[in-house]
Amino acid sequence: SAVISQKPSRDICQRGTSLTIQCQVDSQVTMMFWYRQQPGQSLTLIATANQGSEATYESGFVIDKFPISRPNLTFSTLTVSNMSPEDSSIYLCSVVGRTYGYTFGSGTRLTVV
Amino acid sequence: GEDVEQSLFLSVREGDSSVINCTYTDSSSTYLYWYKQEPGAGLQLLTYIFSNMDMKQDQRLTVLLNKKDKHLSLRIADTQTGDSAIYFCAERSDQAGTALIFGKGTTLSVSS
Repeated sequence: SAVISQKPSRDICQRGTSLTIQCQVDSQVTMMFWYRQQPGQSLTLIATANQGSEATYESGFVIDKFPISRPNLTFSTLTVSNMSPEDSSIYLCSVVGRTYGYTFGSGTRLTVV
Repeated sequence: GEDVEQSLFLSVREGDSSVINCTYTDSSSTYLYWYKQEPGAGLQLLTYIFSNMDMKQDQRLTVLLNKKDKHLSLRIADTQTGDSAIYFCAERSDQAGTALIFGKGTTLSVSS
């Protein structure tokens, strides 16, 4: 399966600021996704990162709040903009290759104070 | 629509078998997955099953799929304290653009 490097692993941020999370994969993958896991909750899909075009967002998530880039087949970024304490969560990158195995990054633990 | 349901907690004694259940609603799901999340850690893929299979076994893990009832189960034989974690059921739904849809997770507690 693919190996994902997700950075930063954790951060504490001031409200009103923005944080960009990076996801680097060691091989070309067909699909890349961004999820959020709020404390004690399951994973919620934020968006599908599309290579070379705008991401596809799920209901309740908008581009202005969570801009996503995917300049190539192995790299994507998620920005959490104008943060508030409600954005405190774990953010996870996920990729899928040819064998239908979905691999997840180790996550970014974000605390907004 | 897509929805994945799991019971929230399961408590077993070491050496017993654990059975974690999951139901899903999207009949077009092609693959179903089980992930394990230990405290403070990321998601570890345990196993997955294709929708045209009834059963898949991998060492201590057995996955049973009842497609008619849209019911999936994960059986862990000889449960160990190291199996204590949250177990997530997930479905791959074409309606969701191939992303995985997760259940809320079952917390497995193994006592010695």
